[in-house]
Amino acid sequence: GAVVSQHPSWVICKSGTSVKIECRSLDFQATTMFWYRQFPKQSLMLMATSNEGSKATYEQGVEKDKFLINHASLTLSTLTVTSAHPEDSSFYICSASQGFTEAFFGQGTRLTVV
Amino acid sequence: TQLLEQSPQFLSIQEGENLTVYCNSSSVFSSLQWYRQEPGEGPVLLVTVVTGGEVKKLKRLTFQFGDARKDSSLHITAAQPGDTGLYLCAGRGGAGNNRKLIWGLGTSLAVNP
Repeated sequence: GAVVSQHPSWVICKSGTSVKIECRSLDFQATTMFWYRQFPKQSLMLMATSNEGSKATYEQGVEKDKFLINHASLTLSTLTVTSAHPEDSSFYICSASQGFTEAFFGQGTRLTVV
Repeated sequence: TQLLEQSPQFLSIQEGENLTVYCNSSSVFSSLQWYRQEPGEGPVLLVTVVTGGEVKKLKRLTFQFGDARKDSSLHITAAQPGDTGLYLCAGRGGAGNNRKLIWGLGTSLAVNP
């Protein structure tokens, strides 16, 4: 199957700082990437969908100025959590697809804001 | 709005028992996927079903897609502790859906030795 690499796996940051998470498709070109947030033992909550070269489409209730998404190339999308606060602590996961039926997921990033 | 109801939400069983997880919707999906996720990791794709009535087997796991492509089930035979994890179903909508997946709420399975 296709490989999606997410970095970092975990990060601890101070309240008020910004954190960038990278999502890379290693062996295929991802025209669409998705960013999710997940709380413990719960399902994935879609935050936004990004298509290469265009602005991301955010789900209702997700602040686009707080969660900046960039999909500058067919193999890389980034999620930047700006001015992070403790309530932003969560597990963030990306997935990528190229018109396949499947969506392949990164390993996830555990963000802790202290 | 397409919804996917997954049940049960939590399941704790003894090693060797069988179990079934269900995903139901009133909407038709072009395909449906099952994922397994372990703590601290991303979901891993188990199977994709596309055709109504389709049955796929993966060792002790059997996946079914309903004839009308509105529901699916995952059956595990003789569960083992290694099967413990969060199982997620996700359906892909019809045309114009921008390839967005509709997710079930997940089934947290614990298999006790």
